[in-house]
Amino acid sequence: DTAVSQTPKYLVTQMGNDKSIKCEQNLGHDTMYWYKQDSKKFLKIMFSYNNKELIINETVPNRFSPKSPDKAHLNLHINSLELGDSAVYFCASSQGGTSGTNINTGELFFGEGSRLTVL
Amino acid sequence: AQSVTQLDSQVPVFEEAPVELRCNYSSSVSVYLFWYVQYPNQGLQLLLKYLSGSTLVKGINGFEAEFNKSQTSFHLRKPSVHISDTAEYFCAVRTKGGSEKLVFGKGTKLTVNP
Repeated sequence: DTAVSQTPKYLVTQMGNDKSIKCEQNLGHDTMYWYKQDSKKFLKIMFSYNNKELIINETVPNRFSPKSPDKAHLNLHINSLELGDSAVYFCASSQGGTSGTNINTGELFFGEGSRLTVL
Repeated sequence: AQSVTQLDSQVPVFEEAPVELRCNYSSSVSVYLFWYVQYPNQGLQLLLKYLSGSTLVKGINGFEAEFNKSQTSFHLRKPSVHISDTAEYFCAVRTKGGSEKLVFGKGTKLTVNP
């Protein structure tokens, strides 16, 4: 009964292709994230959604487009893949927002990652 | 903007030895602090967190960390490590009352040798 699940786990594709990674969480959390982990293990946030609303959009190429159909799902679509997009992409979720009694303290629950290899 | 520095990229130790993984942060406002662990080919898992109160926090698997505001540090310690503790450890910071963004350090690879 996985809390944060991502599919696919592995993705190998050619340069120029378009691909999507899907993420679902069953924790009832309000906020979901996409992080990119490069070959040196460095983790960088890409996007964050709170209740389907985009709240963090880091400096990421326009080829990357997140979509949150509901608060339990956050998908990542990548157009025109480049070699430098090869990485492990992690989805994560957390509870709460930025005010009130349910403030998000930042504890994230991560999926197992999707390893993207662009040839 | 906040930032995190993990001073050691790799820390090799022998089994049953004590270990300290260092973390320093930079922020102009109060912060929440975290340590996450990543085992090979897995996602990250929370080890422990400092939100407020006691500066010594205990986490899972026998790890603990101490928040030192004057030194802006949050070092992770374990008195006796096991082979199974071999993993990548990430320190992370988030500002209180700020955005949802959790900023990670570059990680420290802990290798426990027999």
